Amino acid sequence: GENVEQHPSTLSVQEGDSAVIKCTYSDSASNYFPWYKQELGKRPQLIIDIRSNVGEKKDQRIAVTLNKTAKHFSLHITETQPEDSAVYFCAASKNTNAGKSTFGDGTTLTVKP
Amino acid sequence: NAGVTQTPKFQVLKTGQSMTLQCAQDMNHEYMSWYRQDPGMGLRLIHYSVGAGITDQGEVPNGYNVSRSTTEDFPLRLLSAAPSQTSVYFCASSLYSLGQGYNEQFFGPGTRLTVL
Repeated sequence: GENVEQHPSTLSVQEGDSAVIKCTYSDSASNYFPWYKQELGKRPQLIIDIRSNVGEKKDQRIAVTLNKTAKHFSLHITETQPEDSAVYFCAASKNTNAGKSTFGDGTTLTVKP
Repeated sequence: NAGVTQTPKFQVLKTGQSMTLQCAQDMNHEYMSWYRQDPGMGLRLIHYSVGAGITDQGEVPNGYNVSRSTTEDFPLRLLSAAPSQTSVYFCASSLYSLGQGYNEQFFGPGTRLTVL
């Protein structure tokens, strides 16, 4: 089955700096890659996603890049703010079936004011 | 819309007890899933359903049963609770879009289960 590895497990940055979280996946058939943000005690919420026919996608301060050849994708957050502090999860799925996603173990991002 | 709702929010069971975690969505989503989240780990898929009357196993199905009699409801049953089932359980739903597949998953608020 699919295996998703996520790095780093913890990340601490100063407010205003950029943060990068990387994920690798094992199944070359995976074609949908969402990123979720989970605040403490809350539910995961989708922040951005990318499909395999696209190399990069951006939404304001958040961007995701995908390298299908190397089977890795990354989340980039620019101009970080304290409210960006949360756990971020990457995931991968086949047939654009988000409901059968395999998740990474998460990255705890702390943005210091 | 209430979105995805789950009950109860918290539950404590003794080993061997059974219970049902409730999940409902009012968005007319065909696809519903159950995940468990353990400390320091991502979400792991337990069971999923592509529509009423259709269910299938995910990554960690042992000890859990599901059924889907309506589009709205997708209950998760613990048959004989074990301490290893102590976790936070999330239900999620997603909508099928022609040409794009099942897209964004909407998660419920979670049920925190402790098995003693």
